[in-house]
Amino acid sequence: RKEVEQDPGPFNVPEGATVAFNCTYSNSASQSFFWYRQDCRKEPKLLMSVYSSGNEDGRFTAQLNRASQYISLLIRDSKLSDSATYLCVVYRRGYQKVTFGTGTKLQVIP
Amino acid sequence: DAGVIQSPRHEVTEMGQEVTLRCKPISGHNSLFWYRQTMMRGLELLIYFNNNVPIDDSGMPEDRFSAKMPNASFSTLKIQPSEPRDSAVYFCASSVAGAGEQFFGPGTRLTVL
Repeated sequence: RKEVEQDPGPFNVPEGATVAFNCTYSNSASQSFFWYRQDCRKEPKLLMSVYSSGNEDGRFTAQLNRASQYISLLIRDSKLSDSATYLCVVYRRGYQKVTFGTGTKLQVIP
Repeated sequence: DAGVIQSPRHEVTEMGQEVTLRCKPISGHNSLFWYRQTMMRGLELLIYFNNNVPIDDSGMPEDRFSAKMPNASFSTLKIQPSEPRDSAVYFCASSVAGAGEQFFGPGTRLTVL
């Protein structure tokens, strides 16, 4: 089983829609979680950290479920500019081990 | 503030040639990572350094690949000899030690003919 798994998509959604991605991780010792965004032919960029209590940044909400070992990203009121690949990242602090998921592709359609 | 700097941005070479990729991390960051990204395998961690010391090189594909970090502001990834299957985008990233938040450079797009 891969350490971090994501549905590759693509998720094709109309502008204004709400879309959610999940990411599962296999190692319960994982301690920190992040969502990165990667535009086509660009480098990944940090979108947001994921906190245990859940956190929100504008239209984006990230949540962590330690019991079921998954994190989620919710995007409300999708914009065309949200079209990108969203990478889930899991970090084990003691081992300084960072693992990226393979990403979920989102295409927002006019 | 300058981000992570990588050079060259594009490299086209012939099979068998030596390739050297360069990276300058963000000043003050103690960890440096080299990644390779392809359509087939996604983003793969090759090696990372903490305080200039290699911590985990288990992702380095084979002996043809080597990486060095002679000081806190510079790292190289060398492929010798290069092969067509090495064609990919190579990213360098840096972070504050102990943090998972990484800042990526723009990448080097390598094509081996």
